[in-house]
Amino acid sequence: KQEVTQIPAALSVPEGENLVLNCSFTDSAIYNLQWFRQDPGKGLTSLLLIQSSQREQTSGRLNASLDKSSGRSTLYIAASQPGDSATYLCAVPDNDYKLSFGAGTTVTVRA
Amino acid sequence: DADVTQTPRNRITKTGKRIMLECSQTKGHDRMYWYRQDPGLGLQLIYYSFDVKDINKGEISDGYSVSRQAQAKFSLSLESAIPNQTALYFCATSAAGAHNEQFFGPGTRLTVL
Repeated sequence: KQEVTQIPAALSVPEGENLVLNCSFTDSAIYNLQWFRQDPGKGLTSLLLIQSSQREQTSGRLNASLDKSSGRSTLYIAASQPGDSATYLCAVPDNDYKLSFGAGTTVTVRA
Repeated sequence: DADVTQTPRNRITKTGKRIMLECSQTKGHDRMYWYRQDPGLGLQLIYYSFDVKDINKGEISDGYSVSRQAQAKFSLSLESAIPNQTALYFCATSAAGAHNEQFFGPGTRLTVL
């Protein structure tokens, strides 16, 4: 069974600082990895999906890296803004095509 | 309009009551999923459906049932709600084929008293 871990559980940074969010998974035989953003009381918004054949995926200020062999992915958010405050979740599909989620990292960007 | 919608958005009910949560999608996806999220935990899969005639249990299906009324509609029922079913419930969809990106609805916050 795939286990997904996100550390730290919470992060607080001043505006303008770069954010580094970590995700680790136990089974390296993944097909892809998806990063989501969750705002309080709202649903999950897909940010990036990185395929197993890719090392990086970029969208605007967001960059996700993937190292399958070490079971890790990192989400970088450049020049953080208060609007980036949210919970960020990573997820990987398992053999049943369901997603296994980490518990998330809650980010607070202080103005 | 949102691609994946859920009704109701919030519900408070009492122990023993039957509750139905509904999900509709306009993405034309074959696959639909129900997850629940508890504070401090990741999402856990309750049920999933690959098409109208293919419904499968997820990792925490006890106490829940589902109905896939059409390609676009997937309902989750709690036959006799209990307090530990208090959670945030999400519906998701994906295109047919393995490991495709999943798209989530806005969630239903359910409180069982």
